[in-house]
Amino acid sequence: LAKTTQPISMDSYEGQEVNITCSHNNIATNDYITWYQQFPSQGPRFIIQGYKTKVTNEVASLFIPADRKSSTLSLPRVSLSDTAVYYCLVGDPVTGGFKTIFGAGTRLFVKA
Amino acid sequence: NAGVTQTPKFRVLKTGQSMTLLCAQDMNHEYMYWYRQDPGMGLRLIHYSVGEGTTAKGEVPDGYNVSRLKKQNFLLGLESAAPSQTSVYFCASSLWASGDNTGELFFGEGSRLTVL
Repeated sequence: LAKTTQPISMDSYEGQEVNITCSHNNIATNDYITWYQQFPSQGPRFIIQGYKTKVTNEVASLFIPADRKSSTLSLPRVSLSDTAVYYCLVGDPVTGGFKTIFGAGTRLFVKA
Repeated sequence: NAGVTQTPKFRVLKTGQSMTLLCAQDMNHEYMYWYRQDPGMGLRLIHYSVGEGTTAKGEVPDGYNVSRLKKQNFLLGLESAAPSQTSVYFCASSLWASGDNTGELFFGEGSRLTVL
């Protein structure tokens, strides 16, 4: 499984765009990049998944460069309720999904 | 539609006692998982199951046992609890990833276990 590296913590203010970058130099051909969000005292929740280029949904955007060795989760106009831990995971969801390993994640703190 | 339900949500044990955590999902998912999360850390996979009657070890399986007798249930057992097993335990389930299905993990709300 590809190892991921992401910042331990980030601070932001309400209304700003937040970009969290994840490095995954050893990503394999069949690997996808998936991001989860975890609020205190809750289980993680799926945010977005992508393979290459850009993926956007109602919550976030995921930017993946051509070499796929990194990815950036973009949260537009964050609010206080976006304060959470964000996990970047890399793996093949078809053959290795059940081996999903969560690192320490990035703790995002949004201030008023 | 309840999703993934864990019981109990809180439990305090004495060292050496045994207990079982129950995870139930109503989404007909093939895969089920047990994770533990210690303060300030990410989730670590304890055991997982790819279908009824099958189980496999994850990253930190020692001291735990699991069973998946029914597709909708995944049980995590502690035979002789130790203080090092004080943690929050999360159960998750997912479908087989194919086509448009991302293999998204659906998590329960967690079970907080304290071993004295």
